[in-house]
Amino acid sequence: AQSVSQHNHHVILSEAASLELGCNYSYGGTVNLFWYVQYPGQHLQLLLKYFSGDPLVKGIKGFEAEFIKSKFSFNLRKPSVQWSDTAEYFCAALTGTASKLTFGTGTRLQVTL
Amino acid sequence: GAVVSQHPSRVICKSGTSVKIECRSLDFQATTMFWYRQFPKQSLMLMATSNEGSKATYEQGVEKDKFLINHASLTLSTLTVTSAHPEDSSFYICSADSDRANEQYFGPGTRLTVT
Repeated sequence: AQSVSQHNHHVILSEAASLELGCNYSYGGTVNLFWYVQYPGQHLQLLLKYFSGDPLVKGIKGFEAEFIKSKFSFNLRKPSVQWSDTAEYFCAALTGTASKLTFGTGTRLQVTL
Repeated sequence: GAVVSQHPSRVICKSGTSVKIECRSLDFQATTMFWYRQFPKQSLMLMATSNEGSKATYEQGVEKDKFLINHASLTLSTLTVTSAHPEDSSFYICSADSDRANEQYFGPGTRLTVT
């Protein structure tokens, strides 16, 4: 069965610091990858997604992620975080012909002023 | 963008009663909707996949007789928690496939508290 791992459970950064959140998946075939963000009290929003093509994907709010097939990774990055980026971040994978999303356990990002 | 709504946003019920949660795609038709459960500070766990006009497909470990899912139209799916118990208290989230392949839009969730 496919699985998605997020090893950073809680990250605390100062504003303007650079961010990288890890995401690894376990599936050898075709995989579609997503990063979602959940701001406090709000619903999940799609940050970015990778289906095919350029492995460096740019999303909303200055986020980007890089798909590295050899490492089964899809890490999320942002060069300079803002206080408003404080939220829970979820990596998810959609594999094969199934339309089911498998989510990682999430990373709570706390940005301090 | 595509919008998914859920109703109610918050519900408190007594143990033994049933609760219905609605999930609607407001500006698109969704042949497939998904129901998730999220425990505090944990990830989303898929409960079931709901296809319009057919029976839902439940994930392993999810009791289909307890969590009744109906997907009667292309814009509405309902989840009924029957004979609710305190351990059913959780955050229930639905999502719907948009007309873009393999992209789901999420509802705002429903906080269920069983007393």
